[in-house]
Amino acid sequence: DSGVTQTPKHLITATGQRVTLRCSPRSGDLSVYWYQQSLDQGLQFLIQYYNGEERAKGNILERFSAQQFPDLHSELNLSSLELGDSALYFCASSVAPSGDYNEQFFGPGTRLTVL
Amino acid sequence: SQQGEEDPQALSIQEGENATMNCSYKTSINNLQWYRQNSGRGLVHLILIRSNEREKHSGRLRVTLDTSKKSSSLLITASRAADTASYFCATVPISGAGSYQLTFGKGTKLSVIP
Repeated sequence: DSGVTQTPKHLITATGQRVTLRCSPRSGDLSVYWYQQSLDQGLQFLIQYYNGEERAKGNILERFSAQQFPDLHSELNLSSLELGDSALYFCASSVAPSGDYNEQFFGPGTRLTVL
Repeated sequence: SQQGEEDPQALSIQEGENATMNCSYKTSINNLQWYRQNSGRGLVHLILIRSNEREKHSGRLRVTLDTSKKSSSLLITASRAADTASYFCATVPISGAGSYQLTFGKGTKLSVIP
């Protein structure tokens, strides 16, 4: 158990819909990363937040957005869903991005199926 | 976009044998890490090697890094059936912006036959 929790575990929805994925980082971790894992694209970095502020963006679609709240949990919002958005979405956390690198701890993921 | 490319894509060995997986990457890195993923589950961090290190050990794992060739290898010795999983290398860029997002390769699927 990494200490990172993600809800829900599974999500089945229809094209055009909007969903919210939730992540609670490990206690004390200030940085949250979101990754998407799909069969054709592999594991891709989406976005990073540090202490409530966006720190870096990767291959995140404009239909997707995220935020990190004062209690440090994070939400990833996916809208106007398409079949190709079906994937495993992982959240990871680390203590801080500054200074020496810190290991990232991954949550169990949310499996999104768009029908 | 993928940074690391693992080789082979799939590997099947007998229990007790050693397993070697290779990873190549494209840009300069701060460090390289290896992760394990059991079927459809979360990723587990195995080992991190920094750009100024050449070799690192952790239990039955041995990782090497050759920055001149932009490549790394992961050796699992005396494999066990429980080692069956997908293994990913991930690189962290040299960054002054304080972001350490991981760029993953496509992974090697290891099957250890009892």
